[in-house]
Amino acid sequence: SAVISQKPSRDICQRGTSLTIQCQVDSQVTMMFWYRQQPGQSLTLIATANQGSEATYESGFVIDKFPISRPNLTFSTLTVSNMSPEDSSIYLCSASRQGNTEAFFGQGTRLTVV
Amino acid sequence: QQPVQSPQAVILREGEDAVINCSSSKALYSVHWYRQKHGEAPVFLMILLKGGEQKGHDKISASFNEKKQQSSLYLTASQLSYSGTYFCGTEIIQGAQKLVFGQGTRLTINP
Repeated sequence: SAVISQKPSRDICQRGTSLTIQCQVDSQVTMMFWYRQQPGQSLTLIATANQGSEATYESGFVIDKFPISRPNLTFSTLTVSNMSPEDSSIYLCSASRQGNTEAFFGQGTRLTVV
Repeated sequence: QQPVQSPQAVILREGEDAVINCSSSKALYSVHWYRQKHGEAPVFLMILLKGGEQKGHDKISASFNEKKQQSSLYLTASQLSYSGTYFCGTEIIQGAQKLVFGQGTRLTINP
């Protein structure tokens, strides 16, 4: 298994500002992903964080709004830029190893934009 | 593209059984099942690969019908600890390991 640490666990931010969420895995992983989850709802994939190259974004998500970095095999960041109240959500980091293996999740970052 | 789960919610008494279904409009490479308790991260239950295999541990098992693009999760003799929201995550691109999750099934177990 792998342990994922996400920081911050929660934050309240002013509209128009940006927040960077950090995701640290305790061992090397092949794949890292960022999800968004509204309370009581499903998980929506934002992007795949690729090590050493640009992230791959899902439909409806763009790099200018959600820039992602992944400098190595254990760390990734997601920035929520120019925030609006619609960005209020829980953001989850996920990681998995090569092959048909489980995905591990961080505890999530609860973001409130006011 | 999001798989459809049914039912949306289930309320059981401890010891009763439940079945949660996950259906996709796309061909699936694998299906993952997760349980999430309120305020916590999703926890992995099991993964099923195409081939119609059935897996299980303890009193939770699952099946995957590749032709029907469906998977079912079976909870037998439910325990209070089984309460939570269950999500199926579908992998439609082999090797991509990115999952598209269903809308979730909220399971409540009462004493």
